[in-house]
Amino acid sequence: AQSVTQPDIHITVSEGASLELRCNYSYGATPYLFWYVQSPGQGLQLLLKYFSGDTLVQGIKGFEAEFKRSQSSFNLRKPSVHWSDAAEYFCAVVHSGNTPLVFGKGTRLSVIA
Amino acid sequence: ETGVTQTPRHLVMGMTNKKSLKCEQHLGHNAMYWYKQSAKKPLELMFVYSLEERVENNSVPSRFSPECPNSSHLFLHLHTLQPEDSALYLCASSQDFGLAYSYNEQFFGPGTRLTVL
Repeated sequence: AQSVTQPDIHITVSEGASLELRCNYSYGATPYLFWYVQSPGQGLQLLLKYFSGDTLVQGIKGFEAEFKRSQSSFNLRKPSVHWSDAAEYFCAVVHSGNTPLVFGKGTRLSVIA
Repeated sequence: ETGVTQTPRHLVMGMTNKKSLKCEQHLGHNAMYWYKQSAKKPLELMFVYSLEERVENNSVPSRFSPECPNSSHLFLHLHTLQPEDSALYLCASSQDFGLAYSYNEQFFGPGTRLTVL
């Protein structure tokens, strides 16, 4: 069965610092990969996705993620964090259109001045 | 209204009550989903409807009963819930579900925060 691991439950970074959130997946083939963000009291918003092609994908709000097949990873990065980025971030995978999304447990990001 | 809306946003109910959660999508999508989000646990898919037919039911207790009267509306009927059912219930929709070689982005509503006393 597919699984997603987000090893960091909570990360705190200073505003303006760089950010990397880790995501590892367990699946035999290359799945479709996603990062979602959830602000307090809100639903999930898609930041970016990887289906195939260039392994570095750009998303909204200045985020990017890099797919590394050898490491089964899809880490999310941002070069300079803003206070408004404080939220919960979820990595998710899916095999194909007829299988449901599998989510990680999420990483909560706090941003300090 | 745009996107996916959910009502109510907050709900407190006793274990003997019957209540319903409502989801409406204004995107012209064919698939709709219910998820449960509990603290410290991954999002759990509860139900998937595609073209108003239920296609996924992930071992959800019968005290949760979904209804999809048309492709724009999805309900979750609740009865005799337990305190451990307290969670954020998220609805989502996507253009389609069940196409083996493609995947459609899911759009999420803001959720209903349910507290069972």
